[in-house]
Amino acid sequence: GAVVSQHPSRVICKSGTSVKIECRSLDFQATTMFWYRQFPKQSLMLMATSNEGSKATYEQGVEKDKFLINHASLTLSTLTVTSAHPEDSSFYICSARAGGTSPNIQYFGAGTRLSVL
Amino acid sequence: QKEVEQNSGPLSVPEGAIASLNCTYSDRGSQSFFWYRQYSGKSPELIMSIYSNGDKEDGRFTAQLNKASQYVSLLIRDSQPSDSATYLCAVKPTSGTYKYIFGTGTRLKVLA
Repeated sequence: GAVVSQHPSRVICKSGTSVKIECRSLDFQATTMFWYRQFPKQSLMLMATSNEGSKATYEQGVEKDKFLINHASLTLSTLTVTSAHPEDSSFYICSARAGGTSPNIQYFGAGTRLSVL
Repeated sequence: QKEVEQNSGPLSVPEGAIASLNCTYSDRGSQSFFWYRQYSGKSPELIMSIYSNGDKEDGRFTAQLNKASQYVSLLIRDSQPSDSATYLCAVKPTSGTYKYIFGTGTRLKVLA
């Protein structure tokens, strides 16, 4: 299957700092990427849908000024958590949609565990 | 509100048995269905995709789709302890976006 690389895998930061997470599709072009958040023992929660070259579409209740998404190329999307606070501590996962014969399949990155002190 | 429902479990099966995981969805026009496996602390991994009514087999896994009943299932034959994980059902609804609707997942425990 297609490979999606996500970095860093783990971040520990102080409250008030900003954290950038990268998501790359390594062997395919990803027109659409998705960002999810998952709290312990809960299901995935979609935060936003990111299309290359255009503004991200945020889900209801997700602050777009706090979670900045940039999708500047067909292989790279970034999520920046601005002025992170302890309540932002979570597991953040990106996925990328592969086109071609399987246009609806999402392939997931390994996730980034964010801990805000 | 489009929904995907799964029994949260845990579903416990003995090693070597068949595990049956079920999922129902509300959007009758949905066309694409996926099963993902998620180990604790890890991200989801695609197991199967299915688009047409009937069965689709891949190794020990069989996905079954019944659009009339709005029901999709995953069978795992010869279950192994390494299959112990949470299985997420995902449905792409008929809306124009490519986002999925995820179920809450079924936790499977395979007992050695």
